[in-house]
Amino acid sequence: DSGVTQTPKHLITATGQRVTLRCSPRSGDLSVYWYQQSLDQGLQFLIQYYNGEERAKGNILERFSAQQFPDLHSELNLSSLELGDSALYFCASSPRVKGHNNEQFFGPGTRLTVL
Amino acid sequence: GESVGLHLPTLSVQEGDNSIINCAYSNSASDYFIWYKQESGKGPQFIIDIRSNMDKRQGQRVTVLLNKTVKHLSLQIAATQPGDSAVYFCAENREKESGGGADGLTFGKGTHLIIQP
Repeated sequence: DSGVTQTPKHLITATGQRVTLRCSPRSGDLSVYWYQQSLDQGLQFLIQYYNGEERAKGNILERFSAQQFPDLHSELNLSSLELGDSALYFCASSPRVKGHNNEQFFGPGTRLTVL
Repeated sequence: GESVGLHLPTLSVQEGDNSIINCAYSNSASDYFIWYKQESGKGPQFIIDIRSNMDKRQGQRVTVLLNKTVKHLSLQIAATQPGDSAVYFCAENREKESGGGADGLTFGKGTHLIIQP
């Protein structure tokens, strides 16, 4: 158990819909990262938040957005869903923005299926 | 462009043998490399890391080797056990705080390690 929790575990929805994925980081971690894992693209970094502020963007679509709340939990919002958005979405957390001893711990993931 | 890739999608080894999983990277600016293990239905789990100022690092039954000349790293698992069966990913990052900004990890495609009884 990494200490990172994600809900829900599974999510099934239809094209065009909007969903919200939730992540609670490890106690004391200030950075939260979101990753998407699909068969064709592998594990891809989407976005990072640190202490409530966006710090880095990866391959995140404009239809996707995220935020980190004062209690440090984070939500990833996916809108206008397409079939190709079906994937595993992982959240990871680390103590700081970057630097030494800033290992990222991954949650169990949310499996999103878009029908 | 930067990329981290693995040479083989599947590696089959006999239980008790040593396993070697390889990874190539192309970004010379990378200074931090990590190996993750992902079991079916779970998130990636940290195994071992190495920084660019090192050539070798050992953990419990695992060793990571880094060859910066050819931009190659490998993960060696000693006395492979059934519980080692998983997909192994190498990932790279840039740790230097002076570099500005912040980065997520760049992952390779993964190698599926299969343990034969």
